Amino acid sequence: KAGVTQTPRYLIKTRGQQVTLSCSPISGHRSVSWYQQTPGQGLQFLFEYFSETQRNKGNFPGRFSGRQFSNSRSEMNVSTLELGDSALYLCASSFSPSEEGEQFFGPGTRLTVL
Amino acid sequence: AQSVAQPEDQVNVAEGNPLTVKCTYSVSGNPYLFWYVQYPNRGLQFLLKYITGDNLVKGSYGFEAEFNKSQTSFHPKKPSALVSDSALYFCAVRDILGTGANNLFFGTGTRLTVIP
Repeated sequence: KAGVTQTPRYLIKTRGQQVTLSCSPISGHRSVSWYQQTPGQGLQFLFEYFSETQRNKGNFPGRFSGRQFSNSRSEMNVSTLELGDSALYLCASSFSPSEEGEQFFGPGTRLTVL
Repeated sequence: AQSVAQPEDQVNVAEGNPLTVKCTYSVSGNPYLFWYVQYPNRGLQFLLKYITGDNLVKGSYGFEAEFNKSQTSFHPKKPSALVSDSALYFCAVRDILGTGANNLFFGTGTRLTVIP
């Protein structure tokens, strides 16, 4: 079974631009979560989607948004990029938003903002 | 609020020696604890979890961990370290908001280096 895939793997943008990252969960998984990983802040939760609905959102500004499609694929968008948005963005999927189940992570998209 | 603490930023251990990575937690209610390992240029790999039941949990890559409620700890251990165990290890707690929220709060990570 294929794992979580994220595209693109690497991205370079300039301040003020916007970016869209894509995540395809493991087949059959319907819950997708996004995390931001930076050396200074560590791993921080961005948002979670299940059945095309955002179930939970972390403490990030409104410039960060996302959505989930009917096939469970998810995208996240960051508008008006800032230097501090440079990070590794990780997507994780699980069968359902169960408290007991582990999440399976993709390789991440490394975003560099110049 | 849920939180985890990883007191060691860096752990060095000689190949063949036992290794332990430390994590303590603070939760309201029952803890749902997870460990993930991150190898270079790869995403997080699931290592093990404690949800309920037996306090001794066996995980991936030969690791096992004991959930200790009195010490609020959940430390994965391995009897004999391999060079290939060198990676960044993260402890995480599931955020239980009563809505079945699926997000994880992560610790700051421990970089394990196994010296040949």
